[in-house]
This record gives sequence, C-alpha cells and structure tokens, in this order.
Amino acid sequence: DVVMTQSPLSLPVTLGQPASISCRSSQSLVSSDGDTYLNWFQQRPGQSPRRLIYKVSNRESGVPDRFSGSGSGTDFTLKISRVEAEDVGVYYCMQGSLWPPWTFGQGTKVEIK
Amino acid sequence: EVQLVESGGGLVQAGGSLRLSCAASGFTFSSHWMHWVRQGPGKGLVWVSHINSDGSSTSYADSVKGRFTISRDNAKNTLYLQMNSLRAEDTALYFCARDPPGSGIDQWGQGTLVTVSS
Repeated sequence: DVVMTQSPLSLPVTLGQPASISCRSSQSLVSSDGDTYLNWFQQRPGQSPRRLIYKVSNRESGVPDRFSGSGSGTDFTLKISRVEAEDVGVYYCMQGSLWPPWTFGQGTKVEIK
Repeated sequence: EVQLVESGGGLVQAGGSLRLSCAASGFTFSSHWMHWVRQGPGKGLVWVSHINSDGSSTSYADSVKGRFTISRDNAKNTLYLQMNSLRAEDTALYFCARDPPGSGIDQWGQGTLVTVSS
C-alpha cells in the first residue's frame, strides 16, 4: 500500500502570510496512464471535505487562486499564498494512482496564530 | 448541482448490521465510480470501499473485507454499503464520494454517523 506522509501536522499561520504543506508518498504516483492522481482536500470544521486541487496542480473551479499545488513523483506541496480566516481547517492529500487502496495523508491542521 | 445524500446510519450493538445508502442527483450516476470513506471521531479520512460504474468491480480496505459489501442501483441512482459484524472500531462518519473518469474523487456527501456500542 502507498503510504502518504504529510508535514507539518499542525500549522499556525498569521493572517496574510503564506503557508505550505508537504505530502510525500512511499512510491512514485505516476500511474500507468501517465497521469499523477494526487488530490488535495480542505475540510473546514463541521463540514465535508472539499476538493481544492486535482492531479497535482489543477485548481478546482471556484477555488481561490491563492491555493496552488505542485510536485512530482513522490513529493508534493500545497501552498496558500496569503492565508485568510476562511482557510482554517484540516488539509488532506490523497493518492488515486496506485489502488486499491486509495490512501490519504494524516491531515494538516491550519489555524490562525 | 451535484448532490450526494447519505442515510441509514445509527446506533448498533457490536456484531450487528446496518445498510447505508447514498442518493445521487445532478449528474450521470451510471458513468461514475463511487467510494465510501469514513472518519472516526476526531480522526482523519480513511478509504473504505470502491465500486466501478456498472457495479462489476469492487474493492475494500483490509479492515472491512469480508464484513462490508458495496453495491449500486444505477436505475435508482443510489449507492449502498451493507455493513455486517460491526465492531466498535467501525464507529465513524461515513461519506459517499464521487470519482469521475480521469480526475479522482471530487464531490462528497455530508456523511451519515454510525456508532457501534460494545
């Protein structure tokens, strides 16, 4: 099974400052079709997960452009260019390249300092 | 608008059974893979099961294999999860999630809570 490791697990951020979350996989996530199925989800308190980024770097419709995804192979990053109050929540990376199982990172809790 | 509405959760004793449902609307249900994902109290997201678009292929997490069965009725636009031999560690909020061709899991329902008492 592919293990997804996120860091940090807790991220206190000052409003307006940038934030960065790392996600590393135990195997390369390049799938047999050549795509890399690495998605990022945001889960605000009391809500269902919401997809922010799909296939490493593609922003979901309606997601603010302060969110960006990058990476390749086994190393991936979600960046928030300027954190806003509404960004508080837990962020998960998830791989769908090597399945089953589909696997999630442990989650990174973003909070305002 | 895509909607996924789970139901069927509740309180059950260890060893008991429950059947979860997920009613889908706003998209062509029969064209999408579907998943169940769960989240224990205060915990992260854990994938449970997947089914392909016509129901001919399924997969399960090791922790539920042999106890849970995923199925779908494309005529009713509904996804199911039959859960047998429930254990305390199955206590969680269960989400159904859509998996469109070529992009991976995108939309999620609001979840249905399953509590297993020991």
